[in-house]
Amino acid sequence: QSVLTQPPSVSGAPGQRVTISCTGSSSNIGAGYAVHWYQHLPGKAPKLLIYADTNRPSGVPDRFSGSRSGTSASLAITGLQADDEADYSCQSYDTSLSGYVFGIGTKVTVL
Amino acid sequence: EAQLLQSGGGLIQPGGSLRLSCTASGFIFSSYIVSWVRQAPGKGLEWVATVSSSGDSTYYADSVKGRFTVSRDNSEKILYLRMNSLRAEDTAVYYCAKSEYSFGSYNWFDPWGQGSLVTVSS
Repeated sequence: QSVLTQPPSVSGAPGQRVTISCTGSSSNIGAGYAVHWYQHLPGKAPKLLIYADTNRPSGVPDRFSGSRSGTSASLAITGLQADDEADYSCQSYDTSLSGYVFGIGTKVTVL
Repeated sequence: EAQLLQSGGGLIQPGGSLRLSCTASGFIFSSYIVSWVRQAPGKGLEWVATVSSSGDSTYYADSVKGRFTVSRDNSEKILYLRMNSLRAEDTAVYYCAKSEYSFGSYNWFDPWGQGSLVTVSS
């Protein structure tokens, strides 16, 4: 059971917008710790998608965006494309655990 | 471009030991903290351990504390993870990853190594 809660799956048609939620608690996201997002394809290394809540590394399309509110954060993907099919995980820091925590990952399916 | 190349891994019996390595290139290795993160089959990512830039400070998840040791050789630009008393639940793909800041609240992981599969089974 992961400290950060994500839906197991979301899906959308090409061109649509999907959002992935990441719910934490007062010891991680709610405490103000930054949230980061990764895209993970099977057999490949995770790739940083969003860092510090809303920032995109160079090379990441602006179709990907992050936001946060209270004890939760969200990743939005607009203009969904076939190669967006992957697992997406959120990550933060937890002061009670004194370590980094991840969500279990959300599988995005393009219909 | 910062890159991390991993070696090690394999099949090991319960109670056995194994060492993973992660060789860095494309950045000043001695200036950054580096970590190990794992993903067990069908599970999410799990942070395992982090070592400070100098190697003087180490941090561990409770699940591996006392059994795993993270270390680094800054002259060779290599990160290590020594795993002792391995259990079936340690079976996972292990990744090394670099972070921008000192251990704590603001850090993310980028880039990541390609992963090393560790299978603990008799």
